[in-house]
Amino acid sequence: EAGVAQSPRYKIIEKRQSVAFWCNPISGHATLYWYQQILGQGPKLLIQFQNNGVVDDSQLPKDRFSAERLKGVDSTLKIQPAKLEDSAVYLCASSLSWEMSGNEQFFGPGTRLTVL
Amino acid sequence: GNSVTQMEGPVTLSEEAFLTINCTYTATGYPSLFWYVQYPGEGLQLLLKATKADDKGSNKGFEATYRKETTSFHLEKGSVQVSDSAVYFCALSDNTDKLIFGTGTRLQVFP
Repeated sequence: EAGVAQSPRYKIIEKRQSVAFWCNPISGHATLYWYQQILGQGPKLLIQFQNNGVVDDSQLPKDRFSAERLKGVDSTLKIQPAKLEDSAVYLCASSLSWEMSGNEQFFGPGTRLTVL
Repeated sequence: GNSVTQMEGPVTLSEEAFLTINCTYTATGYPSLFWYVQYPGEGLQLLLKATKADDKGSNKGFEATYRKETTSFHLEKGSVQVSDSAVYFCALSDNTDKLIFGTGTRLQVFP
């Protein structure tokens, strides 16, 4: 079974530029998550989708971050404009459904973003 | 709000030593508890989980018991190997399945 795919793996941009990350979840997984992992910290949830609807985006900085999951499969996360403090690893995860207690989330390899 | 606190690293051990990584949590209700592991150059992987009080999760020789009375979920292994060197994250999920992670503990095992 193929895992969660993410691209690119690495990205270096200058502040105020824009960037986009792509995620393809495990086939059949209804729920998709984007996490931000700053160096030395644990991942922090940015946004959670169930199919193509948003379940939780309370931690997403909506003035600069946006995410979509058209057709309930692939997802993109965009930052525009980027700030220095956005340097982090962006992780995508998927699970069968958020309505199942103790559900396992499967993580992709992440995209390491460096903002100069 | 919900939170997870785990011991700071790095934890440095010799091969075959006993491992404990402490994890405590704060949560309303009855969360599920997890240990995730991140090996060098790889993504996060679920190591073990427990979904209710007194449950013991186990995998690859690692164990953790959900202790509601002490709000803890400490990770243990009787004999570590060099291949266990990784970063270990304790996490909880609430009824929305959102994961809240601790800051991670780096384990270094030397031959």
